[in-house]
Amino acid sequence: GNSVTQMEGPVTLSEEAFLTINCTYTATGYPSLFWYVQYPGEGLQLLLKATKADDKGSNKGFEATYRKETTSFHLEKGSVQVSDSAVYFCALPKGSGGSNYKLTFGKGTLLTVNP
Amino acid sequence: DVKVTQSSRYLVKRTGEKVFLECVQDMDHENMFWYRQDPGLGLRLIYFSYDVKMKEKGDIPEGYSVSREKKERFSLILESASTNQTSMYLCASISYSYEQYFGPGTRLTVT
Repeated sequence: GNSVTQMEGPVTLSEEAFLTINCTYTATGYPSLFWYVQYPGEGLQLLLKATKADDKGSNKGFEATYRKETTSFHLEKGSVQVSDSAVYFCALPKGSGGSNYKLTFGKGTLLTVNP
Repeated sequence: DVKVTQSSRYLVKRTGEKVFLECVQDMDHENMFWYRQDPGLGLRLIYFSYDVKMKEKGDIPEGYSVSREKKERFSLILESASTNQTSMYLCASISYSYEQYFGPGTRLTVT
């Protein structure tokens, strides 16, 4: 099945710094790719997604581009805020079949932003 | 705007007790999941349900069972709680475009 490797954390940045969290994947075909965010004490929520190669997903100032050449989907933000402190997960469908609606997740990267 | 709800945010149970964790989604999704989340281990799938009364074991089903009597409701059951089941439990459902929606989580402590 498909798999994902995500940059291990933790990552600590100062406010307004540039953020990159690396994510690479192994997949059959070109599945949709996702980033999820988990704020302290909460469940995960979808941050952004890309459904085909060269697509750029974006939300709340975060961006990620689906790069099939490098099998990557790195998360970036130009200027982080304290409120961005959270755990970030990269994910993709676990199998290639349409009936298999499971996602496989990276281990998560803890981001802490200091004022 | 509530989509996935879980019956409790925090729960404390004693070893050997039977524990029920309830999850409800309002998006008419067929597929629902129970995960547990532990530091350093990421998300681990316990059980998956792809339709009413249909279920499939995930990666760590031992010590757990599930029930799906209605489409919107998916319950996780710990038949005899043990201390190693102390964890954060997350329920989720998923759309046909693979967008997964999570509940707020239940932090279960077994003493």
